[in-house]
Amino acid sequence: AQTVTQSQPEMSVQEAETVTLSCTYDTSESDYYLFWYKQPPSRQMILVIRQEAYKQQNATENRFSVNFQKAAKSFSLKISDSQLGDAAMYFCAPLFGNEKLTFGTGTRLTIIP
Amino acid sequence: EAGVTQSPTHLIKTRGQQATLRCSPISGHTSVYWYQQALGLGLQFLLWYDEGEERNRGNFPPRFSGRQFPNYSSELNVNALELEDSALYLCASSYGTDWDTQYFGPGTRLTVL
Repeated sequence: AQTVTQSQPEMSVQEAETVTLSCTYDTSESDYYLFWYKQPPSRQMILVIRQEAYKQQNATENRFSVNFQKAAKSFSLKISDSQLGDAAMYFCAPLFGNEKLTFGTGTRLTIIP
Repeated sequence: EAGVTQSPTHLIKTRGQQATLRCSPISGHTSVYWYQQALGLGLQFLLWYDEGEERNRGNFPPRFSGRQFPNYSSELNVNALELEDSALYLCASSYGTDWDTQYFGPGTRLTVL
């Protein structure tokens, strides 16, 4: 079975500081994609960043970057220069070969002004 | 470019009734996915439709069903509603190619009384 673990139910960070959210997963597949989504209080699920498992280079999207370690099956999200608008629930979601996203339990991120 | 749209925003039903939820994908997208976000159960994959066909199904009873229309919009039907069906139902769409990014709509909040 493919599982996703987000071990930090809640995190908080001071505005303008950097925070890292962790995610580990288990799969026997070698080809897959990994996503981070955020869900603010509006409940709209918004794509943050995407990583192809065959790429060694870590994905970056403005203030958001990932640390992808395939052998360790780890996919953490780093948010730099945190802003108040970053406050949300963050979900790690691998996409394995069956075209369905497998979501972790989420990490609630609070930004402290 | 218009995003994924879902209707209605909120739906209130009583136990035993049927609910119909609707989703319109992003223009050009042929795949539609349904996920259930229930309190305490996290996000779970329900159904995947592509080119009018059901391609994959999550671990849900047969009273959860749906279809995809020629214009790629989709309906999710839930028959014989139970209290535990109360949840946020999220629809996502993609181009339908392997590993494609799924973009989510705002969701339909279903409440079963």
